[in-house]
Amino acid sequence: NAGVTQTPKFQVLKTGQSMTLQCAQDMNHNSMYWYRQDPGMGLRLIYYSASEGTTDKGEVPNGYNVSRLNKREFSLRLESAAPSQTSVYFCASSEFGVVYGYTFGSGTRLTVV
Amino acid sequence: RKEVEQDPGPFNVPEGATVAFNCTYSNSASQSFFWYRQDCRKEPKLLMSVYSSGNEDGRFTAQLNRASQYISLLIRDSKLSDSATYLCVVNRHNAGNMLTFGGGTRLMVKP
Repeated sequence: NAGVTQTPKFQVLKTGQSMTLQCAQDMNHNSMYWYRQDPGMGLRLIYYSASEGTTDKGEVPNGYNVSRLNKREFSLRLESAAPSQTSVYFCASSEFGVVYGYTFGSGTRLTVV
Repeated sequence: RKEVEQDPGPFNVPEGATVAFNCTYSNSASQSFFWYRQDCRKEPKLLMSVYSSGNEDGRFTAQLNRASQYISLLIRDSKLSDSATYLCVVNRHNAGNMLTFGGGTRLMVKP
């Protein structure tokens, strides 16, 4: 049982480059989320998808786009990377209602130079 | 005011000690509460849910005080392996499937 799988685990981008972070879950969860975590800032929500076919902005959506490809997959795209987007990105999923909390992927460490 | 506030620590304790963390939350309508554990450079993992009557899981005890809007986590007989950051997590009322994470309390257990 893989849970939540994120790819890639590490990435270095040059300013202005684009990339897509992939996330897939095999727990049949309805809701999926993208967070970033920076030192001293805690976890901040970028975008979320409450159910297949819907996406909504979180606290820090600027510079990002998302796609809920199907129930399993939720991708995060950086169209033109900036050094301020250097961070650790976590994908998470949950049943609707979060009775059992979130399950997180192992993260993507992104550096933009 | 932050929705969920925690003392960032670090709490430095010797092995075998008992340590307690508190967390306050601002939304009195919140209904779901959790403690997560995050090891350095790893993802957060669910440690335990927090129930109204309080609950225990081995050496860990969680308490909820709705009147004062705080949650606590007590760790007894601390182990070196308990060293981590502990995140207090609360759901957002009127956003049923959204959780708000505190900034975390760092615990370091020393030999």
